[in-house]
Order: sequence, then structure tokens, then C-alpha cells
Amino acid sequence: GQNIDQPTEMTATEGAIVQINCTYQTSGFNGLFWYQQHAGEAPTFLSYNVLDGLEEKGRFSSFLSRSKGYSYLLLKELQMKDSASYLCAPYGGATNKLIFGTGTLLAVQP
Amino acid sequence: DAGITQSPRHKVTETGTPVTLRCHQTENHRYMYWYRQDPGHGLRLIHYSYGVKDTDKGEVSDGYSVSRSKTEDFLLTLESATSSQTSVYFCAIQGNTGELFFGEGSRLTVL
Repeated sequence: GQNIDQPTEMTATEGAIVQINCTYQTSGFNGLFWYQQHAGEAPTFLSYNVLDGLEEKGRFSSFLSRSKGYSYLLLKELQMKDSASYLCAPYGGATNKLIFGTGTLLAVQP
Repeated sequence: DAGITQSPRHKVTETGTPVTLRCHQTENHRYMYWYRQDPGHGLRLIHYSYGVKDTDKGEVSDGYSVSRSKTEDFLLTLESATSSQTSVYFCAIQGNTGELFFGEGSRLTVL
């Protein structure tokens, strides 16, 4: 089976940096996705990590440690529009199923 | 634009009635998925398809059936809708690098 754990809610200040953690246990693993979802909208792709280490993409970076079953999403120079849910999703195993965590609701305050 | 559309976008129905949600893609991707999203539970996989007439169950498949008679369409059917199936339903297709592209969602209310 799969177990995915991420904080339910986080609050941060505009212009600051925030790190959203995700730990997972899966029966098979190819990589890990991060998605962003604004209220009332569909999830949108942010990043996909296959190898250990940090991958940077503009203000957003994502880190993966396969041996520890751990990932984080780092958001820099926070903007009000970054207020959203962030979903962690390990991927792989015998099937192509993508299972999501319950998500972290990030509130960015002025 | 990932070329995926869902219909209907909103539906209100009564307990015990059948409901079919349609997902249509223009990308010719092999894998398609149906998720439901509820407060406190996140996105949960209902069923998925890995080709025409090839489908498998996800985490929460009870009360749902699917069909895929052609590559571009993946149908989700609630044979007899219940109030517990009130939810937002998302269809997704899997791109060549593994990422999912989601449709805009179908909001279903079962009274």
C-alpha cells in the first residue's frame, strides 16, 4: 500500500520562503510529483523528481531523497497568488497509478 | 492546453438515479484516470484506463464503473447515485513524461 504524509495547513508572509514537506511509503517508486491547486480549480503540474537532490525552477524548487522517502517543495519570494493547496504524489510501482496526499493548504499573508 | 474536457461540468441529481460523466481528450494518450476530491480526503483514484477496453480499479471504486470504447473517451458511471457520491470529479490524462493533465472538473450533487 501507500502512505503519504504532509502538513494540512501552513501560513507564510508575502516575500518570505516556505518549505512544504512530504514523506511517503510506497510499494514501488519511480519518482515524485508536486502539483498546485487553487480553490475551485484543477491541479496543475509543478515538478517531477526522479533522482535525489534539488531541482530548481524559478521561484519553486523541489527536493527528493529516495532512501528516506522524503521530499519537499520550496517556494521563494512568496506572492499572494501562491496561496493554494500543494499536493505531493509519489509515482510508480507495478502500475501507472498516481496516488495523491491530502495536500497542504498554504495561506500567504501580506 | 492539454486538450482534455469533461462534461457535464455541473450536475444535480437524485439518489438512485444513474449518472454518467464523460472525459474527452484530443491528445491520443494511452492512460486516463478518474479521481474524486472531497474535503479532508484530497484526490482519490476511482478507476483508470491503460488502453481501449483496458481498465482497472483505484482506491475508491465501489459504486462506480468505467468504460473506454475508444482512445479519446473515458466514461465514469454511477449506476445508482448516493449522497456519499456528492463530490468534484476530475479526469486526467498522462503525458509522455508521466505527468498528469487534469480536466476542469465535474461538480456532482446527489440529493
